Amino acid sequence: QKEVEQNSGPLSVPEGAIASLNCTYSDRGSQSFFWYRQYSGKSPELIMFIYSNGDKEDGRFTAQLNKASQYVSLLIRDSQPSDSATYLCAVSSGSARQLTFGSGTQLTVLP
Amino acid sequence: GAVVSQHPSWVICKSGTSVKIECRSLDFQATTMFWYRQFPKQSLMLMATSNEGSKATYEQGVEKDKFLINHASLTLSTLTVTSAHPEDSSFYICRAREPTFNNEQFFGPGTRLTVL
Repeated sequence: QKEVEQNSGPLSVPEGAIASLNCTYSDRGSQSFFWYRQYSGKSPELIMFIYSNGDKEDGRFTAQLNKASQYVSLLIRDSQPSDSATYLCAVSSGSARQLTFGSGTQLTVLP
Repeated sequence: GAVVSQHPSWVICKSGTSVKIECRSLDFQATTMFWYRQFPKQSLMLMATSNEGSKATYEQGVEKDKFLINHASLTLSTLTVTSAHPEDSSFYICRAREPTFNNEQFFGPGTRLTVL
């Protein structure tokens, strides 16, 4: 069974700090990796996606992928109170491109 | 940008009634649509995958006779919760896949179902 594991948190960081979110996955055949942000009562919003080992940067966000360790992370630099949300890690595999989600990490950025 | 809509955004119904939720891709053709359910403080759980013109593939533990999925066109999929009970109260979210894109971002806004 495919599993995606995240620390549920809550994770609290002060405004301006770096927030680090981690995720591990069990299926070595996984091809694509996604980070979503979900505000309470809303559907997920795509933040980052990464396919290759290494780092991928987009503005204040950096996704890191290590397929050998089956590990993917998200760094949020200069965290803002508006970044407070639940962050979902998701992994895609198979031709149907189904997404398997982690349980999410609740992030609170303190002003 | 591509948009996915869901209707209704919320619904309250009595136990035993059926509720239909629509998911539409507004400016692209969705060959595949996925239906998820999310209980409070839990993650999204895939219920079923539907391809246009084909029967839906349900995940283990999801009753196909209770959660009827129809994907009759490339822009519309419906989920009908039949004989709803309070334990079916949840947040239902659809995702539409446009095959030329690999970034899986096209989620509907979700439908909050409350069964009394």
